[in-house]
Amino acid sequence: SQTIHQWPATLVQPVGSPLSLECTVEGTSNPNLYWYRQAAGRGLQLLFYSVGIGQISSEVPQNLSASRPQDRQFILSSKKLLLSDSGFYLCAGGGSSYEQYFGPGTRLTVT
Amino acid sequence: KNQVEQSPQSLIILEGKNCTLQCNYTVSPFSNLRWYKQDTGRGPVSLTIMTFSENTKSNGRYTATLDADTKQSSLHITASQLSDSASYICVVSERGGTASKLTFGTGTRLQVTL
Repeated sequence: SQTIHQWPATLVQPVGSPLSLECTVEGTSNPNLYWYRQAAGRGLQLLFYSVGIGQISSEVPQNLSASRPQDRQFILSSKKLLLSDSGFYLCAGGGSSYEQYFGPGTRLTVT
Repeated sequence: KNQVEQSPQSLIILEGKNCTLQCNYTVSPFSNLRWYKQDTGRGPVSLTIMTFSENTKSNGRYTATLDADTKQSSLHITASQLSDSASYICVVSERGGTASKLTFGTGTRLQVTL
């Protein structure tokens, strides 16, 4: 089975600082990878997904970007964080569009 | 617009009791429906997945039902335990879609008390 690793688990960053969240996948090759954000009391919002190295699709315009430098590595970045970027960020992976195994999440607080 | 609505928003039950969570969706064309359990501060974990032809699926004390005609699903939890306290999320996939064709409900927050 697949395992999704994410780090860090929690992060507190000041407004205007850069961000880099990393996600790696074990147990499969060439997975589809996803970044979601979950605001408190809200559903999951898909931010980015990738079907292969260097292939990134963005779902919503925002202050964030994603990259996939290796088959099983997915990175979420920002050059300058905004207060509105606070939230719970989840990485997910799967062998198909409908297969979604989630990582443990990163709680980001922008102050 | 595809939507997934879950009810109730939150629920408190006594340990040992049963409960049923509801999910109504408007996603079309339908591919499959998943129920996830999400503990606070953790990633969601899949409980069940059902395709169009399946109308019930069990995973231990969790039993999901699907009525594709009325576009409704339910998750029944039997003999609840304190560890069942979590958010339960319904997710519906659109047939032929990509990752962007998953529609998430906002979840039902379940609290099991003594």
